[in-house]
Amino acid sequence: KNQVEQSPQSLIILEGKNCTLQCNYTVSPFSNLRWYKQDTGRGPVSLTIMTFSENTKSNGRYTATLDADTKQSSLHITASQLSDSASYICVVSADLRQAGTALIFGKGTTLSVSS
Amino acid sequence: NAGVMQNPRHLVRRRGQEARLRCSPMKGHSHVYWYRQLPEEGLKFMVYLQKENIIDESGMPKERFSAEFPKEGPSILRIQQVVRGDSAAYFCASSLRPPQGQEKLFFGSGTQLSVL
Repeated sequence: KNQVEQSPQSLIILEGKNCTLQCNYTVSPFSNLRWYKQDTGRGPVSLTIMTFSENTKSNGRYTATLDADTKQSSLHITASQLSDSASYICVVSADLRQAGTALIFGKGTTLSVSS
Repeated sequence: NAGVMQNPRHLVRRRGQEARLRCSPMKGHSHVYWYRQLPEEGLKFMVYLQKENIIDESGMPKERFSAEFPKEGPSILRIQQVVRGDSAAYFCASSLRPPQGQEKLFFGSGTQLSVL
């Protein structure tokens, strides 16, 4: 069964600190892995998309890594800001015939950045 | 270039009524997806449409739920005879091409449906 598991479920950090969010998946056949940021009451916004051959990808203070062998990904946030408070969702795309079901969403990690 | 627009943002219905959720994709996008999100849960795929055609509705309940994406106008997700269990946030997304490879999906802000 295709699944995406994220940890921790929630995280509280002080402004200016770094943090790392984890994503493990069992999705086959794998196409790509995406990280989204979802602010409260808003839709998800894409941060990064990585294919099988990419180990790391950055978007400003966000750096995603992918280990396709162990089926793990991480999202590292450096020098956190209050505006980073949101849910971070790991989404794995499966290369399926039914295109609509190709994206499998994790439940997200809720990050709270406090001053 | 406006993003994906969903309305209403909040919708309150009594049990047994009908709920109609609207989604206008980004300009130029012909692929639309509907997702449902329950509290503390990940987004769950419901249906994928491409102008006037339902491509994949494998995530949509067989009864009471229907979706359309007419040639003109927004995509509509319709829920007939709503029940309390239908209360959730419903998100629409759109893309320029099918969601294969690294095609980006752009999400709307969602419609929060509350069934009394």
